[in-house]
Amino acid sequence: LAKTTQPISMDSYEGQEVNITCSHNNIATNDYITWYQQFPSQGPRFIIQGYKTKVTNEVASLFIPADRKSSTLSLPRVSLSDTAVYYCLVGEGGYGNKLVFGAGTILRVKS
Amino acid sequence: NAGVTQTPKFQVLKTGQSMTLQCAQDMNHNSMYWYRQDPGMGLRLIYYSASEGTTDKGEVPNGYNVSRLNKREFSLRLESAAPSQTSVYFCASSEARGSGELFFGEGSRLTVL
Repeated sequence: LAKTTQPISMDSYEGQEVNITCSHNNIATNDYITWYQQFPSQGPRFIIQGYKTKVTNEVASLFIPADRKSSTLSLPRVSLSDTAVYYCLVGEGGYGNKLVFGAGTILRVKS
Repeated sequence: NAGVTQTPKFQVLKTGQSMTLQCAQDMNHNSMYWYRQDPGMGLRLIYYSASEGTTDKGEVPNGYNVSRLNKREFSLRLESAAPSQTSVYFCASSEARGSGELFFGEGSRLTVL
């Protein structure tokens, strides 16, 4: 299993760009990198997913270097509503593989 | 579409009682998962099911049993509840093919006294 390591917490201010890095040194060839966001009392929800290089959607960007041993979630211009826990998940999600979450990063956005 | 539906949303048990948490998904997903989340902690995988008829242990399977009743439903049973099983339980499902994005239910909050 690819173990992930993330910072425990981060603080930011509204309007700033936030980058959260995840280390996954033993990522396997077939593994994808997926980021989830979780608000209190809710289940995690998908933010973005990638395999290599850069992926961008309407809410975030994901940067993955060539060796794929780390990844960086970038949230542009955060707002107070982005205060949440962010999880990096590495694994091959299909076929019912053992998808194990790490501890996550608590992001606090201040006004 | 309802997505992933969990019942009950809240439950209080006494030590030693048994209960079953129900999960159903309407997205025709093959894979389903049960996680638990203790206060202030991350999610831990209890059991998962790659497809109908198969189940596998996750990180913390002790004290739990699961049943993949059919493609839609995946239940989690506590045979003899203990206070250490007080937690929020999340069910999730994913496609069998490709990257397998997880879709989560709203959670079931269980308190064992």
